[in-house]
Amino acid sequence: KNQVEQSPQSLIILEGKNCTLQCNYTVSPFSNLRWYKQDTGRGPVSLTIMTFSENTKSNGRYTATLDADTKQSSLHITASQLSDSASYICVVSRDYNNDMRFGAGTRLTVKP
Amino acid sequence: DAGITQSPRHKVTETGTPVTLRCHQTENHRYMYWYRQDPGHGLRLIHYSYGVKDTDKGEVSDGYSVSRSKTEDFLLTLESATSSQTSVYFCAIKLVNTIYFGEGSWLTVV
Repeated sequence: KNQVEQSPQSLIILEGKNCTLQCNYTVSPFSNLRWYKQDTGRGPVSLTIMTFSENTKSNGRYTATLDADTKQSSLHITASQLSDSASYICVVSRDYNNDMRFGAGTRLTVKP
Repeated sequence: DAGITQSPRHKVTETGTPVTLRCHQTENHRYMYWYRQDPGHGLRLIHYSYGVKDTDKGEVSDGYSVSRSKTEDFLLTLESATSSQTSVYFCAIKLVNTIYFGEGSWLTVV
């Protein structure tokens, strides 16, 4: 079944600390994998997109990795800030964007 | 925000009444999507459109219909709302290889 599983469901860290969010998928065939950030009450906003041949991509303090062999991705946040408090959603596409499978998200809370 | 506007942003309606949500975009994007988001679930595709009058069903299309009579507007209609359709609805467009989402429409069916 074409599934996307994210862990942990929720995470609380202190400001300035690093954290890593996980995404495992069974979606096949694989086209690309995206990470989105969703602030409370807002729509998701794209952070990164990776294709099969890419194994790492950075966007500021956000670094995503992809292991297409094990079907795993991670999102690493460095030197967290209060504004990083949000849900982070992993999205895997089977074809060119019209069949995207969304994970349920990881809720990150950064405390001062 | 890629020029996406959803309306209404919040609505409370009664079971059995029809409801239409509107997604308006200003940049002539071909692909438009309607998703719903519920606690514990990822975003799920309801319907999508790949051009004027060209639409297709998504994963959770039962109970929903859509129309796209012009490029800029994609309408989602609940013909007879049910409590299970209480959700947050997001419109999205595709620009190059990135999907951009609107700000969401909160619908409560009582």
